[in-house]
Amino acid sequence: EVQLVESGGGLVKPGGSLRLSCAASGFTFSSYSMNWVRQAPGKGLEWVSSISSSSSYIYYADSVKGRFTISRDNAKNSLYLQMNSLRAEDTAVYYCARGGLPTVVTPYYFDYWGQGTLVTVSS
Amino acid sequence: EIVLTQSPATLSLSPGERATLSCRASQSVSSYLAWYQQKPGQAPRLLIYDASNRATGIPARFSGSGSGTDFTLTISSLEPEDFAVYYCQQRSNWPRTWTFGQGTKVEIK
Repeated sequence: EVQLVESGGGLVKPGGSLRLSCAASGFTFSSYSMNWVRQAPGKGLEWVSSISSSSSYIYYADSVKGRFTISRDNAKNSLYLQMNSLRAEDTAVYYCARGGLPTVVTPYYFDYWGQGTLVTVSS
Repeated sequence: EIVLTQSPATLSLSPGERATLSCRASQSVSSYLAWYQQKPGQAPRLLIYDASNRATGIPARFSGSGSGTDFTLTISSLEPEDFAVYYCQQRSNWPRTWTFGQGTKVEIK
């Protein structure tokens, strides 16, 4: 069974940093691209970042470029999101999601999602 | 960057009725469009990919159609568990970005 479990969320002050993790199990992690998607309270879904299976291709939304860094450790079956210079508008539930096709660099859809971790940026 | 516009924003229907949700892209996305369902407090769930292919475990009452710029998600007969928010999604090639529609809420009338 595919499982994605996010952790690392919490309350942080504006300008602060946080590192999110996503532990994957139930599939060959190293064969799939991975993604972060967020959802502000009461709002819709917003794509944040994507990373290919070998970390060769990395993409960011303009809203987080230069502040967030996505990475992965295939030996540990884990995905990460380092978030720096956090702003109030970064407050959201952050989901990790698996790319929909193995080996394809960055599939356009996401077939499994974790339950999310809440990040709150407030003074 | 491709923009996805979903309509209507809210659909009020009764169980057993047919639901028709629309997603329009600002430029052609061929058939590279996905639909997701999200219930309150839950993660999104993939329903449809490549415009018309049901994901694993998705009931046959869910169907997708369309290509180019106009897409439709149809729920043939609403079950109580189908009342939720539905999002369409696609990916732009340049710049490489992923976009979601703003969502359609299907609520009980």
